Amino acid sequence: GAVVSQHPSRVICKSGTSVKIECRSLDFQATTMFWYRQFPKKSLMLMATSNEGSKATYEQGVEKDKFLINHASLTLSTLTVTSAHPEESSLYICSARSGPTYGYTFGSGTRLTVV
Amino acid sequence: AQKVTQAQTEISVVEKEDVTLDCVYETRDTTYYLFWYKQPPSGELVFLIRRNSFDEQNEISGRYSWNFQKSTSSFNFTITASQVVDSAVYFCALSGNAGNNRKLIWGLGTSLAVNP
Repeated sequence: GAVVSQHPSRVICKSGTSVKIECRSLDFQATTMFWYRQFPKKSLMLMATSNEGSKATYEQGVEKDKFLINHASLTLSTLTVTSAHPEESSLYICSARSGPTYGYTFGSGTRLTVV
Repeated sequence: AQKVTQAQTEISVVEKEDVTLDCVYETRDTTYYLFWYKQPPSGELVFLIRRNSFDEQNEISGRYSWNFQKSTSSFNFTITASQVVDSAVYFCALSGNAGNNRKLIWGLGTSLAVNP
């Protein structure tokens, strides 16, 4: 079945540094990937939709310059949290649409802690 | 606008009890898809089921069953003979068929605790 690999699974960084999260579709091509953020005991919040070869579409209220998304190939999308602050500590989850049947496959998530 | 409502925030049951998680959705699309995902404490989302709007047949998979009723815009999920391993947050989600509606619209989730 479709597999999405997300790395790293956990990262702790100092305030002011940037962190890159990778999302790879291992056995299928993903023209569209989604990036979510989830706070403890909350639902998933869609941050942006990433389309291969074009600019990402950000949801209202999500800062483009803070959360840089690059989808340079059909199997890789990256999310970079720039100049991270403690309030950006969260679980970040990527997802890819796998095939024509509208299935969505999720990465295992990246738990970011900014200290 | 599309919307998913999971009215039950938290449910606590004793092992072997049956439990139903409710999901009510709103959409103007004629073609849409409904999903259930499980999120255990580890955080990884586990796909449970996808249903398209033209298939109203109920589905059973082991101890899990789903009741899709378009007349009431509901897609409820029942766990029979619950087990401790079923403890997790369960999300219901909806997506449309085209364009911007392809993104998933999520319910707020129902946290299920199955106690021994």
